[in-house]
Amino acid sequence: QMQLVESGGGLVKPGGSLRLSCAASGLDLTYHYMIWIRQAPGKGLEWVSYISHNSKSIYYADSVKGRFSVSRDNNKKSMDLQLNSLRVEDTARYYCARGGGLDHYFALDVWGQGTMVTVSS
Amino acid sequence: SYVLTQPPSLSVAPGETATISCGGDSIGTKSVHWYQQRPGQAPVLVMVDDDDRPSGIPDRFSGSNHFNTATLTIARVEVGDEADYYCQLWDSGTLHWVFGGGTKMTVL
Repeated sequence: QMQLVESGGGLVKPGGSLRLSCAASGLDLTYHYMIWIRQAPGKGLEWVSYISHNSKSIYYADSVKGRFSVSRDNNKKSMDLQLNSLRVEDTARYYCARGGGLDHYFALDVWGQGTMVTVSS
Repeated sequence: SYVLTQPPSLSVAPGETATISCGGDSIGTKSVHWYQQRPGQAPVLVMVDDDDRPSGIPDRFSGSNHFNTATLTIARVEVGDEADYYCQLWDSGTLHWVFGGGTKMTVL
C-alpha cells in the first residue's frame, strides 16, 4: 500500500521543540519534492516547508522561517521537520505530502494522515 | 503575496451540479490543483493542472481555468462528495505553495 505516515506530534510548552517524521512505504520519493503542510483546528491548509528531491533547495513559509528546519533521507525514504521555539499559533495537524515530480508545479499526489502538534502552557 | 479566494461555503442538493470558484490575479496563466478533504480525513487530490483528473476520480469531476478564475465542477453531486475543497498553486514570484481558504460543500 502506497502511503506516507507522520509521527512525532504531541503536547509541548511555548518555546519548546518537537521533531516530526514522515516515512514512506510502497512509495518512491527519489525523484519527488516533499512538503509539509499544516492545518490549525477548524482552519484551512497552510504550506510550511519544501525540500527538493536532492535536498539542495529548501524553502519555508515566513511564519516558520528561522524556527523550523526540514531534512530528508532518500535511502530511508523519510523526511523530518524540526520545530523549535514553538508558539501557541503553531498548534495544528501537520501533514507531509509528496510532489508529483521534481518541478514545483507538480500537484501533491500523496498525503499522510497527519500528526497533531499542540503548543500550550 | 499571491492570494487565492474561494467562497467559504456552498450548499447543493443531491443530483445537482456544484461549481466551486477560486479567484486569483491572472490565475489562468498558472497551473491550479484541487483537493478534497472529507471530515476527519487528509486531503486527496481530485484535479491536476486545471482540468486533468487523477486516476480513480470520477468523471463527474471537471475543472477549468480562465483569466482570473479557476473552477471545479462536480456534476450529479452525491452525499459522499460532502467535503471541504481547496484550490492550490505554486507561486513562482514568492516560491510559495499557496492554498485557497477552502470551500465547505454541504449536500442537503
